[in-house]
Amino acid sequence: ILNVEQSPQSLHVQEGDSTNFTCSFPSSNFYALHWYRWETAKSPEALFVMTLNGDEKKKGRISATLNTKEGYSYLYIKGSQPEDSATYLCALSPYSNYQLIWGAGTKLIIKP
Amino acid sequence: KAGVTQTPRYLIKTRGQQVTLSCSPISGHRSVSWYQQTPGQGLQFLFEYFSETQRNKGNFPGRFSGRQFSNSRSEMNVSTLELGDSALYLCASSPDRTNTEAFFGQGTRLTVV
Repeated sequence: ILNVEQSPQSLHVQEGDSTNFTCSFPSSNFYALHWYRWETAKSPEALFVMTLNGDEKKKGRISATLNTKEGYSYLYIKGSQPEDSATYLCALSPYSNYQLIWGAGTKLIIKP
Repeated sequence: KAGVTQTPRYLIKTRGQQVTLSCSPISGHRSVSWYQQTPGQGLQFLFEYFSETQRNKGNFPGRFSGRQFSNSRSEMNVSTLELGDSALYLCASSPDRTNTEAFFGQGTRLTVV
């Protein structure tokens, strides 16, 4: 059974600082790894979908990397802004069934 | 392009009642998944439908059921509501398999009293 762990659980970052957090998984036996951002009172929004070891994706100030051999993905935010405050969720889509397996998320709070 | 629409947005029900929630996916999306989120918990997978067939079901009791219609709209039903069913219920649609991004609705906030 795939188990997705995210760390840290929450994070306070000063505006302008860069930050990163981790998604860990025990096996590389999955189709894809997803990152989502979930702002309060909004719907979760997809950031990246990564499938290959060594994948790197970037969207503005946010980027992500995937290392399937060592079982982790990092999400980086450069120059944090207040609008980056959200919960960042990681999920895996396994080969064996049609569902996403979610981590508990990292809650990011940007302090002005 | 219209997003994923969930109705109703908020609902208050009494223990023992049943409830039906609706999800209209993005046009052209054939996969619809349902999730439950309770305070302190991550998203818990309920079930996934594709072309009117349930392809996978999460670890929830049989009181939770769903279906998908030929136009890909989906409903989920919870019978004999319990206090612990109070949660945010989210649906997400995607074109096909879950290696493509999923698009979420705003959710239905269910409160059982």
